[in-house]
Amino acid sequence: GIQVEQSPPDLILQEGANSTLRCNFSDSVNNLQWFHQNPWGQLINLFYIPSGTKQNGRLSATTVATERYSLLYISSSQTTDSGVYFCAVVNTGNQFYFGTGTSLTVIP
Amino acid sequence: IAGITQAPTSQILAAGRRMTLRCTQDMRHNAMYWYRQDLGLGLRLIHYSNTAGTTGKGEVPDGYSVSRANTDDFPLTLASAVPSQTSVYFCASSEQGSPNNEQFFGPGTRLTVL
Repeated sequence: GIQVEQSPPDLILQEGANSTLRCNFSDSVNNLQWFHQNPWGQLINLFYIPSGTKQNGRLSATTVATERYSLLYISSSQTTDSGVYFCAVVNTGNQFYFGTGTSLTVIP
Repeated sequence: IAGITQAPTSQILAAGRRMTLRCTQDMRHNAMYWYRQDLGLGLRLIHYSNTAGTTGKGEVPDGYSVSRANTDDFPLTLASAVPSQTSVYFCASSEQGSPNNEQFFGPGTRLTVL
């Protein structure tokens, strides 16, 4: 299967700070998604981004497929941003592979 | 619009018992998936189905079986539960083959096997 590595594994931010989360993957992929798992366990779609850059409010993501990585940017972080951020990639057989996540804590 | 529903929400089960986790989606997605989430390991794919009538094995299929008799339902069965199957189980669906193969998740089932 495809290996997906996320960094950093843990991150603590002061409210208002910016951060960059990284996702590296070991093989060519058909698509890539970023998810946020909130403290209640819900998995929420953030971006579907096989390539290029997308923005949604304070969040943006960039995937460079040829170099096998994706970045998630969080600006002006809020306490509600706390949780675990997962990157997932899809191979040509439609199998999804998840990274182990970045656990983010935003403190007021 | 419900999206994806899972039942039960949580369950405590004696080892050796049979258990079926239910998953239903109302988005008419052709593909469905089952994952387990364990602390420190992220989500791992158990089984998937790209269309009704077909299933495939994921990363950790042993001890689990699935069926896909129709588009909407994708039950996961543990024939004889073991304590190592204690986990949170997530069902997901997507429109495979579309330009936007975005995956959507259910709320999860927390299973404890004693």
